[in-house]
Amino acid sequence: AQSVSQHNHHVILSEAASLELGCNYSYGGTVNLFWYVQYPGQHLQLLLKYFSGDPLVKGIKGFEAEFIKSKFSFNLRKPSVQWSDTAEYFCAVTGFSGGYNKLIFGAGTRLAVHP
Amino acid sequence: EAGVAQSPRYKIIEKRQSVAFWCNPISGHATLYWYQQILGQGPKLLIQFQNNGVVDDSQLPKDRFSAERLKGVDSTLKIQPAKLEDSAVYLCASSSFDRAREKLFFGSGTQLSVL
Repeated sequence: AQSVSQHNHHVILSEAASLELGCNYSYGGTVNLFWYVQYPGQHLQLLLKYFSGDPLVKGIKGFEAEFIKSKFSFNLRKPSVQWSDTAEYFCAVTGFSGGYNKLIFGAGTRLAVHP
Repeated sequence: EAGVAQSPRYKIIEKRQSVAFWCNPISGHATLYWYQQILGQGPKLLIQFQNNGVVDDSQLPKDRFSAERLKGVDSTLKIQPAKLEDSAVYLCASSSFDRAREKLFFGSGTQLSVL
């Protein structure tokens, strides 16, 4: 069965600090990987995704993530965070099984960025 | 393009009452999902439709929850009777069926409070 594990539930950073949020997944087949972001009071939005090819993917707002197949990981990074990055971040994975994709989310990491 | 529409935005009910949520997916999207997001947790898939057929309802509490997608477009999710632990945000999402390139679009959600 698919599962997604996010290492940190809460992260507090100062502006300009670097960010890395951990994500590990469990699935035996080919996976697609996603990071979603939920800003306060808003709905989930796609930050970036990995389907195939270059394991380093770039998303919106300066975020990037690296897929390391051997470690079953898909960590999210940003070199310098801003106050506006305060949000909850969800790692998610789809695996194709039984004729359809099923999207499973991690528990989320709540990021607070202080000015 | 228009996004995924959900209503109502908020709902407050007492335990043992019934409630229904409505979702209108993006036009042409074959796949529709209902997720439950309890405060502090990641979204949990309740049910997934492919057109008007159910492909996954393994985590739907079928003794109290039901969902339908008539004509493969709009969907309703019902809870009857509601329990305190059903307090959550109920998210609807849709995607066009593409085996390798699936991307979900989320609605704003319905925040349910059961008192």
